[in-house]
Amino acid sequence: DIQMTQSPSTLSASVGDRVTITCRASQTIVTWLAWYQQKPGKAPKLLIYKASSLESGVPSRFSGSGSGTEFTLTISRLQPDDFATYYCQQYNRYSTFGQGTKVEIK
Amino acid sequence: EVQLVESGGGFIQPGRSLRLSCTGSGFTFGDYAMSWVRQAPGKGLEWVGFIRGRPYGGTTEYAASVKGRFTISRDDSKSIAYLQMNSLKTEDTAVYYCNKWGATSYAYLDYWGQGTLVTVSS
Repeated sequence: DIQMTQSPSTLSASVGDRVTITCRASQTIVTWLAWYQQKPGKAPKLLIYKASSLESGVPSRFSGSGSGTEFTLTISRLQPDDFATYYCQQYNRYSTFGQGTKVEIK
Repeated sequence: EVQLVESGGGFIQPGRSLRLSCTGSGFTFGDYAMSWVRQAPGKGLEWVGFIRGRPYGGTTEYAASVKGRFTISRDDSKSIAYLQMNSLKTEDTAVYYCNKWGATSYAYLDYWGQGTLVTVSS
């Protein structure tokens, strides 16, 4: 099974900050990686697929990069609506999620 | 507009069975794989399994934690995917989300249902 490890688990930031979340795969997943945002009590929302492709309707302040085993999600200028939990997902072989990164207000 | 609506959750005793349904609309249901993801209270997301679309034979794959106990099926004529859960354990307590693959052969999840809560307890 492919394991996905996100870091950090929690991130404290302020509005306007640049935020970076890392996701590492236990083996290469090429670029078969997606990122999701989840707010309390809601279903996750797709932000990025194929490591760096922005889902339609997602603000351009979100970007993804990486290949192989190391990936990042960057929020260029954090907005109030961005405080949430973020998950990475590999879909190279079946599917596995990272454990999540909670972005909280500093 | 794509919509996914789950139903069938509830309170169930350990060892019993439960079937969840996911009704899709707004897309050509049969062409897409459908997936189930669960989230235990206060925990992260866990992939449960998926069923491929008609072009890929409708075959299924499961997470190790549910293999042999859970079965995913589909009725494309009704645009419904099912999750049959047998021999339920307390650790199966979670919100269960139904999802649609973002492309016919790639398993990122572009649409999610609202989720249905399954509570397994004596």
